Amino acid sequence: GDSVTQMEGPVTLSEEAFLTINCTYTATGYPSLFWYVQYPGEGLQLLLKATKADDKGSNKGFEATYRKETTSFHLEKGSVQVSDSAVYFCALSDRDNTGKLIFGQGTTLQVKP
Amino acid sequence: NAGVTQTPKFQVLKTGQSMTLQCAQDMNHNSMYWYRQDPGMGLRLIYYSASEGTTDKGEVPNGYNVSRLNKREFSLRLESAAPSQTSVYFCASSENEGRSYNSPLHFGNGTRLTVT
Repeated sequence: GDSVTQMEGPVTLSEEAFLTINCTYTATGYPSLFWYVQYPGEGLQLLLKATKADDKGSNKGFEATYRKETTSFHLEKGSVQVSDSAVYFCALSDRDNTGKLIFGQGTTLQVKP
Repeated sequence: NAGVTQTPKFQVLKTGQSMTLQCAQDMNHNSMYWYRQDPGMGLRLIYYSASEGTTDKGEVPNGYNVSRLNKREFSLRLESAAPSQTSVYFCASSENEGRSYNSPLHFGNGTRLTVT
């Protein structure tokens, strides 16, 4: 079945460092890809998405490019802030009209001042 | 804008007890979902309702039942709680008007359930 694999955390960075969180997927069709963020004590919030190959999703300085040839959707940010500390989830949505998402295991990011 | 509202926020049950987790959304969304979140395992889908009047099993449905009461409400019931059901439960909804690939999920803040 479809699946999503993320790099294990926690990832610890200093403020203003460059961030990469790796995400690869396995899917039989042509899924849409998402990154969600979860702040402590809260539910998940959509960070960005890409619906077809070579699309780049971006939001709040974060970017991810849908790479069909490498089945990847890595999350990047050029300069992280302490406020970016959270858990990040990569997810895919199959085009079966149910809207359900399959999530990776999540990667915890800690940014130190 | 309340979005997705879950109740209760916290619950402690003894093994064998039953309870219902409530979820309501005010965004007129078609589809609703129940996920559980466990450390190191991400979110796993328990049940979902692609549209009012339909429900389907997700990845981990055993020990749970659901009811799509109306378009707004989607409840999750544990008939006989077990320690393995200790988890954080999230309800979510999406617009999903036939273009599921373009519909993000909107999540509630979760219910933290402990079964002793």
